[in-house]
Amino acid sequence: ELKVEQNPLFLSMQEGKNYTIYCNYSTTSDRLYWYRQDPGKSLESLFVLLSNGAVKQEGRLMASLDTKARLSTLHITAAVHDLSATYFCAVDSGNTGKLIFGQGTTLQVKP
Amino acid sequence: EAGVTQFPSHSVIEKGQTVTLRCDPISGHDNLYWYRRVMGKEIKFLLHFVKESKQDESGMPNNRFLAERTGGTYSTLKVQPAELEDSGVYFCASSFGRNIAYEQYFGPGTRLTVT
Repeated sequence: ELKVEQNPLFLSMQEGKNYTIYCNYSTTSDRLYWYRQDPGKSLESLFVLLSNGAVKQEGRLMASLDTKARLSTLHITAAVHDLSATYFCAVDSGNTGKLIFGQGTTLQVKP
Repeated sequence: EAGVTQFPSHSVIEKGQTVTLRCDPISGHDNLYWYRRVMGKEIKFLLHFVKESKQDESGMPNNRFLAERTGGTYSTLKVQPAELEDSGVYFCASSFGRNIAYEQYFGPGTRLTVT
């Protein structure tokens, strides 16, 4: 059974700092998604990573995928308060559209 | 373009009662998914429709849950009778066409509280 683990589950950081969220998964998959969720809101799609070595960047966030290591990272550069949210990675189980989610990482950026 | 909508946004019911959640996907999206997040745990897949057909219902917890998608448009998820452990947030998502590599767009969720 495919399992997805995120690390850390909670992250408190100062504005301006850099940090990385890790997403490990247990079986082969080449489709990985990152979502952001603000409290009480929907999941907003951030990145879709579809191949080994894929790297995508949007603003202060950069996501990468290493399918051989079964690892994706979400790197935050020079964090700002607006990035405070919960971030989820999800892996497509067997490329069927069935997403298996990590536990979520709650990011708190302090001024 | 309207996004995925869900109704109601919040429902509070007593144990043993019935609740029906509704999801309207983005127009033209053949694929519709239901997920839920029980408090403190990860978001879990419930089922997947392709148009009106159930493609995968492996995540449905038990036979108290019934999902339908009549005519391949909106979907309903009925819980009957509700139990305390059914409390959580139920998300609906949709994606375009039959190529399931398309990203899924999520609705705002329905928060279900069973007392």
